Amino acid sequence: AQTVTQSQPEMSVQEAETVTLSCTYDTSENNYYLFWYKQPPSRQMILVIRQEAYKQQNATENRFSVNFQKAAKSFSLKISDSQLGDTAMYFCAFMKPSVDNYGQNFVFGPGTRLSVLP
Amino acid sequence: DTAVSQTPKYLVTQMGNDKSIKCEQNLGHDTMYWYKQDSKKFLKIMFSYNNKELIINETVPNRFSPKSPDKAHLNLHINSLELGDSAVYFCASSPYLAGASYNEQFFGPGTRLTVL
Repeated sequence: AQTVTQSQPEMSVQEAETVTLSCTYDTSENNYYLFWYKQPPSRQMILVIRQEAYKQQNATENRFSVNFQKAAKSFSLKISDSQLGDTAMYFCAFMKPSVDNYGQNFVFGPGTRLSVLP
Repeated sequence: DTAVSQTPKYLVTQMGNDKSIKCEQNLGHDTMYWYKQDSKKFLKIMFSYNNKELIINETVPNRFSPKSPDKAHLNLHINSLELGDSAVYFCASSPYLAGASYNEQFFGPGTRLTVL
């Protein structure tokens, strides 16, 4: 079974600074997807960024980028130029593609609470 | 327009009661899911439904039963509520794209269930 670990329960960063959230996972699969989801106080789950395991290039979405180390099974999220609106819980998640695309099953990490300080 | 909606947003009830949480998606997606987020924020999948067929059941108690009247709805019924059922429940949906190995899941806003 796959597991996802986030070793930092809470982090804080000053506005405009850069912060990195850690995520490690355990799997015997070779092909899979990794995600970072953001959950602000509104509770809505918002997809931040996605990485396909077969791609060596790290995914980037504006101020968000990942450092994907497949051999080390590490998938960290870097937030540059942190903004107050980035304050949220951040969940790392793993998904193994299903043969027929039905029933895709996320495995979520326990989350990291990020506070951006003014 | 809200893509995935859930009602109610908050639900407070007594132990032993039976309750339902409704979920609707207007995205035309083929698969819908229910997740439970416990007090420690751990998010775990409970069920997924595709074309009215249950395809994942992560060994949740049989007091929980998903019901899908049509492709756009997946309701969660909970019988004989227990204190440990208190959590936030999220509905999600995803499309089916032939040939794609991944289809993004879109989450609803969550329903906070409190059992007293």
